[in-house]
Amino acid sequence: AQSVTQPDIHITVSEGASLELRCNYSYGATPYLFWYVQSPGQGLQLLLKYFSGDTLVQGIKGFEAEFKRSQSSFNLRKPSVHWSDAAEYFCAVGASGNKLVFGAGTILRVKS
Amino acid sequence: GAGVSQSPRYKVAKRGQDVALRCDPISGHVSLFWYQQALGQGPEFLTYFQNEAQLDKSGLPSDRFFAERPEGSVSTLKIQRTQQEDSAVYLCASSRGRIPGANVLTFGAGSRLTVL
Repeated sequence: AQSVTQPDIHITVSEGASLELRCNYSYGATPYLFWYVQSPGQGLQLLLKYFSGDTLVQGIKGFEAEFKRSQSSFNLRKPSVHWSDAAEYFCAVGASGNKLVFGAGTILRVKS
Repeated sequence: GAGVSQSPRYKVAKRGQDVALRCDPISGHVSLFWYQQALGQGPEFLTYFQNEAQLDKSGLPSDRFFAERPEGSVSTLKIQRTQQEDSAVYLCASSRGRIPGANVLTFGAGSRLTVL
């Protein structure tokens, strides 16, 4: 069965520092991979997606992610974090039957 | 509409009551999904519609949960005889795509259900 692991429940970074959020997936075929962000009381907003092709994908708000098949990873990165990036981030894999399987999320705190 | 709209945003129910949660997807979106997000967890799949057809209901936790989309647009998730463990945020999402696994979902803000 498909699964997604986000090893870090909470991460705190200083404003202006770089960020990397980890995501590992388990899926037998070529995965479709997604990162979503959720602010308190809001729905999930798509940051970026990987379907095929270039393994480094660019998203909105200055985020990028790199698909590494050998490591079954799809880590999210941002070179310089802004206070407005504080939110919860979810990695997801597109599974059979059209469903997305989500990780448990990583809460990002930004300190000034 | 411009986005996925869900109502009510907040619902408090006494244990044993029935509740109905509504989802208005983006106009023209063929696919509609319901997810359940418990506190501190990621969303978990409940059910999926393509137009009015419910193609996957494998995530519904019990027969107390029922979803419908009779005209292929608005959907309702009904929970009968609510239990405390049903307390969660129920997220609706819609997408234009039909490609298995490659759906780019647009989510609503969710309906937060609290069962006392």
